[in-house]
Amino acid sequence: EAGVTQFPSHSVIEKGQTVTLRCDPISGHDNLYWYRRVMGKEIKFLLHFVKESKQDESGMPNNRFLAERTGGTYSTLKVQPAELEDSGVYFCASSQPDRITDTQYFGPGTRLTVL
Amino acid sequence: QQQVKQSPQSLIVQKGGISIINCAYENTAFDYFPWYQQFPGKGPALLIAIRPDVSEKKEGRFTISFNKSAKQFSLHIMDSQPGDSATYFCAAYTGANSKLTFGKGITLSVRP
Repeated sequence: EAGVTQFPSHSVIEKGQTVTLRCDPISGHDNLYWYRRVMGKEIKFLLHFVKESKQDESGMPNNRFLAERTGGTYSTLKVQPAELEDSGVYFCASSQPDRITDTQYFGPGTRLTVL
Repeated sequence: QQQVKQSPQSLIVQKGGISIINCAYENTAFDYFPWYQQFPGKGPALLIAIRPDVSEKKEGRFTISFNKSAKQFSLHIMDSQPGDSATYFCAAYTGANSKLTFGKGITLSVRP
């Protein structure tokens, strides 16, 4: 079974440009999460989808970030316009909770560098 | 305000030794405490997890000790191997909002 995949693995852009990150969750997983790790800091929650609906977007830094999940399958995270402080590794995770646990499976991340 | 604090910041252990990583949390609503292991170029992967109704959980060489009254939990890696060299994150979770709250992570190096 394929794991969570993310594209691209790396992105280097200039300040003010737009970048779109993509996440393909594990097939059949209703829950999809976005997290970000800024260098040297903890991995921080950005938002949570259940199928195509945003369940919690309390971690989104500001309105330059827009996340979508078309048809409850893959998700995109767009940053427009990018700022220097947006640099970091963006992780996507998916899960399908059962009665006992809700293990989140992480993708390899997209390393975003804003120059 | 960091809700989950992890220590030490880095750790170097000799092969065969015991690696100990500590975490402390503040929010008593947390009800699930996973540890994630991350190798370079990979995403964090669940290593072992515990719920607050038990004080210890062991899986192979990995053990979580949990102290509910002190709001602390720790990961012990017995007989540490060079292949255990990775970044380790403790995390906490509440079913009320489903998001993981992570510690800063610690880089473990196991020397041959």
